[in-house]
Parts: sequence; structure tokens; C-alpha cells
Amino acid sequence: NAGVTQTPKFQVLKTGQSMTLQCAQDMNHEYMSWYRQDPGMGLRLIHYSVGAGITDQGEVPNGYNVSRSTTEDFPLRLLSAAPSQTSVYFCASSYSTGVPYGYTFGSGTRLTVV
Amino acid sequence: ILNVEQSPQSLHVQEGDSTNFTCSFPSSNFYALHWYRWETAKSPEALFVMTLNGDEKKKGRISATLNTKEGYSYLYIKGSQPEDSATYLCARNTGNQFYFGTGTSLTVIP
Repeated sequence: NAGVTQTPKFQVLKTGQSMTLQCAQDMNHEYMSWYRQDPGMGLRLIHYSVGAGITDQGEVPNGYNVSRSTTEDFPLRLLSAAPSQTSVYFCASSYSTGVPYGYTFGSGTRLTVV
Repeated sequence: ILNVEQSPQSLHVQEGDSTNFTCSFPSSNFYALHWYRWETAKSPEALFVMTLNGDEKKKGRISATLNTKEGYSYLYIKGSQPEDSATYLCARNTGNQFYFGTGTSLTVIP
């Protein structure tokens, strides 16, 4: 099925470990982004990309890295996990930023850092 | 200031009632306003994208209006059904970034 695929769905990390959250879309969307969802707060943008080879920071980029080597994939790397990074992470893509299309969201990754 | 605010935070209505919620956002440098529907254990699903002052969008029993000059959008649900129970998010699109509100959680009581 077409859409945004996120893996894994659940993950538990120890403080200081690193890991990569995967995101792939098969809709040929230019724009991809990562959000985190925390209780009582709206979705907050971590990083985004407007095309292969181009990435930029969002509201809360510290502790995360991204790269966009292909149009389809936009992995999010946690460099050294901290308990403050316990959250639900959503990847979202959109056809373009030039025209205001809505997002297609992935199903989310629930991350716990202990 | 890029904050998007939504009210009320939560709402319980009886089946068949009509209801509405508000999204407020900074009116300067407006680009687009998005509404999403987010059911528990699922991903947010796009409802509307609104770009012009005075825009009205409709999808079935759900509609939305936009006032970019005063910085607000209303979402209306006519004749609420239990399947309308969800969190409704609005997001301000500045071109490259979306700023989401915390949502209005709607529960429709059969």
C-alpha cells in the first residue's frame, strides 16, 4: 500500500545508546519531516527536508540528526539517547512545499529511554 | 510568535448535536492553515488545507472557515456521530514548517 512507513513501532533504549528511526515513502513526495508528540504539547517539528540532499532544523533539533540521500527515505538518528527523548515520533511527507498540500503521516514510533 | 492555540481542549457532545471548535494563529505572514483528524491509535489524517481569507471547505458533515485577517479558523461538525470521536488538530503552515496546536478532543456520546 502506498504511504509512509515507519519502523520500528516500539523501541526501548538505554541512556547513551544510539539508534535510527526509519521512514520511507513511495508517493514521490518532495517534502519529508519528523515530529515528536509529547503529552500536553502539539506535534513539534524536529527536522525536515525539501528534497534529496537538503535538510534543515525545526523547533527541537538538538540530539537528532537526519539525512536525505534519496527521495524515498528520511531516517532520524538519535546520537546519544536521553530520557527527555522518550516520546512518540511521527514521520510525515507532502508532495511539495511550493503549494500547501497536507501531510501524510506514518503510524508512529513509540520510544522509551530508560 | 508562532503559537497555534485551539479551544476547547476537550468536548463531549450527544449524538446528533452539532458542534464547533476554534483554531487561533498569528495573522502575519499567513501561508496556509491545515486541519487534521486524529483517531486514537492511528495517524493524523488530513481534512482541509485553507489558504485564502474567507475560505470555506466542506467534507460531508464537517466544514471549516478561515479568517486570515483576525487569525482564526472554525471547524464545524453537523449532527455528530460516535465515529466523529477523535482529536482535531490545526496547523499553521509557514511554507517550510508546520506549527501544530494541541488539538481539541471530541467525544460523541451515543
